[in-house]
Amino acid sequence: GDSVTQMEGPVTLSEEAFLTINCTYTATGYPSLFWYVQYPGEGLQLLLKATKADDKGSNKGFEATYRKETTSFHLEKGSVQVSDSAVYFCALTSGGYNKLIFGAGTRLAVHP
Amino acid sequence: DARVTQTPRDKVTEMGQEVTMRCQPILGHNTVFWYRQTMKQGLELLAYFRNRAPLDDSGMPKDRFSAEMPDATLATLKIQPSEPRDSAVYFCASGLQLNTEAFFGQGTRLTVV
Repeated sequence: GDSVTQMEGPVTLSEEAFLTINCTYTATGYPSLFWYVQYPGEGLQLLLKATKADDKGSNKGFEATYRKETTSFHLEKGSVQVSDSAVYFCALTSGGYNKLIFGAGTRLAVHP
Repeated sequence: DARVTQTPRDKVTEMGQEVTMRCQPILGHNTVFWYRQTMKQGLELLAYFRNRAPLDDSGMPKDRFSAEMPDATLATLKIQPSEPRDSAVYFCASGLQLNTEAFFGQGTRLTVV
C-alpha cells in the first residue's frame, strides 16, 4: 500500500544552521504531499503542501519540492530558530478517497 | 477562529471501563479522521468518515473500538472494554473533500491503568 518514509531523528542543530529532513513516498496515482508540524502538547498543524509534480510548497521559511522522479518531498530551511524545535511529519493523500497517511515523524531540536 | 474541538483533553480510567472520546469538526467540513499516536507506532489512522459515512476503519481493532458520527457536528470514538495498551493520544482531524489538508484537534490523552 501507499506509504511515507522519513529520516529518523532526533535531528539536533544549532540556531541559524541549515535544515534538511528527508521524506520519500510510495504511492499509486498522483498523491498530494504535505509537511505537518507538532509542537509539544499540541495537535498537528499544516506547514506546507504541494499537489503536483515540481510544485514547491513554502511557509515560514520552510520549503519542499514535489519530485516525482525521485518520489521525494524533502523539507528544508536555510536558518533554523529555537522556536522551530518540534516534530515534523511528512504525509500524502492516498486513493480515491484522499486518505491521509503519515510518516513516523522526525524530532528537531534547535539549540541557541 | 474555526478549530476542531476534542473532549476530554485528558482521561484516566481503569482497565475494563468504557471510554468515549468526542470530536466537533470544523463547521462545513465533511471529512473526519481519527488517529492514535504512540511513541512506538507513531500516528496510526483508525477510522475515516466522509459525509458521516465510514469509508475506512481497517486500522481499528473491531472487537473493542467503534467510531460513529451521530450528526455532522459530532464524531465519537468508543473503546469498550479499555486495556492498558490503548493508552495513547487520540487525535481527531477534519477537512473538506476538495481540499485535502486536514485540521487537527489538540487530542485526548488516554491513560488506562
